[in-house]
Amino acid sequence: DTEVTQTPKHLVMGMTNKKSLKCEQHMGHRAMYWYKQKAKKPPELMFVYSYEKLSINESVPSRFSPECPNSSLLNLHLHALQPEDSALYLCASSQRGTSAYYEQYFGPGTRLTVT
Amino acid sequence: GENVEQHPSTLSVQEGDSAVIKCTYSDSASNYFPWYKQELGKGPQLIIDIRSNVGEKKDQRIAVTLNKTAKHFSLHITETQPEDSAVYFCAARGQAGTALIFGKGTTLSVSS
Repeated sequence: DTEVTQTPKHLVMGMTNKKSLKCEQHMGHRAMYWYKQKAKKPPELMFVYSYEKLSINESVPSRFSPECPNSSLLNLHLHALQPEDSALYLCASSQRGTSAYYEQYFGPGTRLTVT
Repeated sequence: GENVEQHPSTLSVQEGDSAVIKCTYSDSASNYFPWYKQELGKGPQLIIDIRSNVGEKKDQRIAVTLNKTAKHFSLHITETQPEDSAVYFCAARGQAGTALIFGKGTTLSVSS
């Protein structure tokens, strides 16, 4: 089973709201990722957690705050977003951290609209 | 850092034909090359990958070839079917500790 689940599937939020995206995997993977994907573009890496520690932060604005409560869960907390943050937010996981080339599996994404 | 170029950006074929998508990479230290298929409204799905110590890998109608000297790799889909219609992304991983770098994607349309 190579399933990564994400909730919610769709989210509409105002610029003053606070919301969270959730990602879960039960494959025993120890690396988890957040990507942002705009229409007709490839995924852009935002954050990487390896063994529940933040290992890569691709200069993402502080209005995006990741959290990894345990090895199976990954959250992305959103606050004071801008309309240009509207995108598909993808979670992914891989067996090990970024030190090895293990397969990376994506979830279905959360379609975020900021109004 | 690594840079991945993908061609063509769009590809239209008739059902039953073959489709080939090509990618080039810049970092000679890159050692892992996955291909993802993304259908409308879904997340990318890993369909095949290849490591730098292998020249070719096949899985049913899908194959990937790697030319390390020329720094390019290709996805080959034979006997295409309408359900193969999707956006395909190639990617490369460079040195240890770095993330996947994606190509810009190829929109494949298979008409019946």
